Amino acid sequence: DTAVSQTPKYLVTQMGNDKSIKCEQNLGHDTMYWYKQDSKKFLKIMFSYNNKELIINETVPNRFSPKSPDKAHLNLHINSLELGDSAVYFCASSQASGGGTDTQYFGPGTRLTVL
Amino acid sequence: AQKITQTQPGMFVQEKEAVTLDCTYDTSDQSYGLFWYKQPSSGEMIFLIYQGSYDEQNATEGRYSLNFQKARKSANLVISASQLGDSAMYFCAMRDGGNEKLTFGTGTRLTIIP
Repeated sequence: DTAVSQTPKYLVTQMGNDKSIKCEQNLGHDTMYWYKQDSKKFLKIMFSYNNKELIINETVPNRFSPKSPDKAHLNLHINSLELGDSAVYFCASSQASGGGTDTQYFGPGTRLTVL
Repeated sequence: AQKITQTQPGMFVQEKEAVTLDCTYDTSDQSYGLFWYKQPSSGEMIFLIYQGSYDEQNATEGRYSLNFQKARKSANLVISASQLGDSAMYFCAMRDGGNEKLTFGTGTRLTIIP
């Protein structure tokens, strides 16, 4: 009965490779997000989707491409991985968009290490 | 632009004592939400408590309460009767009324001493 799940939990790969992280939520939420947590623990939004539509795209390199096949899934594909992409990536979801009150619930995170 | 400031990078507190984690924010919006999350060493982000800008009473959730002082733009988290399991990073975050994203502070690492 996991609310927001991510796979894989750990991902170790070589520079230049392409990889994907998958996220699924079973909360019936309309909005999903990707956040990046760097080595200093700072969390920053990357993308947000509402009902499969992209609504936030922060200044993220276009090597990062989110894909939302349906409102319960938001996957993150990363091309040509670089050392600086090493971080923990969190998926999150919330009930609706446009409201300051909606609580975002986070997945367990995916620790990406680029060698 | 939104900004969240957590001025305490680390805190050490004796078990069973109360602890206050500081958070100040900056926004020009009238409608916003303030959140606290806990991140234990296992890495997950756990939602603790929420305060809306129009809420007149301070939010409480079990041992957690949020000391909301709107005029001072502060939203401090108070944990009563601290336990060893409270040792973790704690993040304050804000979401404007018309904005999708959470803006996070830099976090406070809380260590509970037995």
